[in-house]
Formats: sequence, C-alpha cells, structure tokens
Amino acid sequence: SQTIHQWPATLVQPVGSPLSLECTVEGTSNPNLYWYRQAAGRGLQLLFYSVGIGQISSEVPQNLSASRPQDRQFILSSKKLLLSDSGFYLCAWTGPNASEQFFGPGTRLTVL
Amino acid sequence: TQLLEQSPQFLSIQEGENLTVYCNSSSVFSSLQWYRQEPGEGPVLLVTVVTGGEVKKLKRLTFQFGDARKDSSLHITAAQPGDTGLYLCAGPSNDYKLSFGAGTTVTVRA
Repeated sequence: SQTIHQWPATLVQPVGSPLSLECTVEGTSNPNLYWYRQAAGRGLQLLFYSVGIGQISSEVPQNLSASRPQDRQFILSSKKLLLSDSGFYLCAWTGPNASEQFFGPGTRLTVL
Repeated sequence: TQLLEQSPQFLSIQEGENLTVYCNSSSVFSSLQWYRQEPGEGPVLLVTVVTGGEVKKLKRLTFQFGDARKDSSLHITAAQPGDTGLYLCAGPSNDYKLSFGAGTTVTVRA
C-alpha cells in the first residue's frame, strides 16, 4: 500500500532563517506531487506541483521554491523566511493518470 | 480557473441532527471529490462522484453529483461528534491540478 510522509511535523523558525520541508511517498512510482499551504480552517492554496524528477511548476510567485531530486521525494525550501510564510504545509500525491489526491500529515510552520 | 464555492462556511449542530453542505460552480467538472480534514491532519478522501445525477452513500453520509455536473452536495444523517471537521470539495482542472473549495467547517456538539 502507498504511504506519504512529511517532516518535520512542527517547526518554529526565526524570520530570515532558511527552510527545508521534506515529503516522501512509498509504494508507488512516477507520482504527481504537490505542495499546498493552508491558513487556519480554510481551503488549500497550491504552491508547487511536479509530474516528474526535476520538473517543477510554480503556482504562486513568492518566497518559496521546490525541488524533486528523486522520483518519490519532494522538497519545499526557502532561503529567508518571512512572517507571512507561517502556516500549515501539506504534501500530496496522485497516480500519473488519476485526479484523487492523497495527503501527508502536514507540517505546522511558525515564523517568529 | 474553475472555481468551486462551498456553503455554508460554518455549521454547528447538535448530535443527532442532519446537515447538508453544498459545493457549486459555474463550470462543468468531469468529477468531484469530497475530503474531510480533522484539525492538525491532512485531508482524507471520502468519495469521488463521476456521473451526473450520481448518488453515493458512505454509512451516514450521502453524496450527490448534480445532473449538469456543476454542483454537488454532502448530506449527513444523525450527525455524531466524530463527524466534526473541515469538509472540502474539489474537482480536476487543467494540468494535473485540483481546484478546491474554501471548505465548510462542521461542528457537531455532544
């Protein structure tokens, strides 16, 4: 069966510090991968998605970047965090020809 | 961009009552999905509806896809505190993406 992992689960970082969030998927190959940010109790904002290794599509110009160094690994990064980067970050995957998305447990990021 | 509007934004009911959540769009979708998210966790897929007019049941939850495939509803019968959560509808848009509604926060009081 397929599983998706995210770490860390929670993170508190000072303004101006770097960020690296990791997402890995097990039990599938060639997944489409997604990064979302969610404000408290609200819907999902798509940040990046990837349909293959090294292929990244950015949805919202901002302080963040994404990379996909391996087929089942998706990384969200920032060189210098802003207060507005605080939020709940979710990683998700789908099969290559499917639309249903399966989400990881999320990372709660607080920038102080 | 295909937009999905959910209503109501918040819903608070007593245990045992029924509730309905709506998801509407001006665009036609090939399918619609419903997710439930509990605080501090990722959304979990509940169901996918594909055919216009389709009705799917998942225990006390009934999902309906509109005949024109532009809207969907989620009805919960005899709600329980375990039904508390954020309910999200979503539909496929272009380029491997999903369009999500803003969600309905459901609170079931014991």
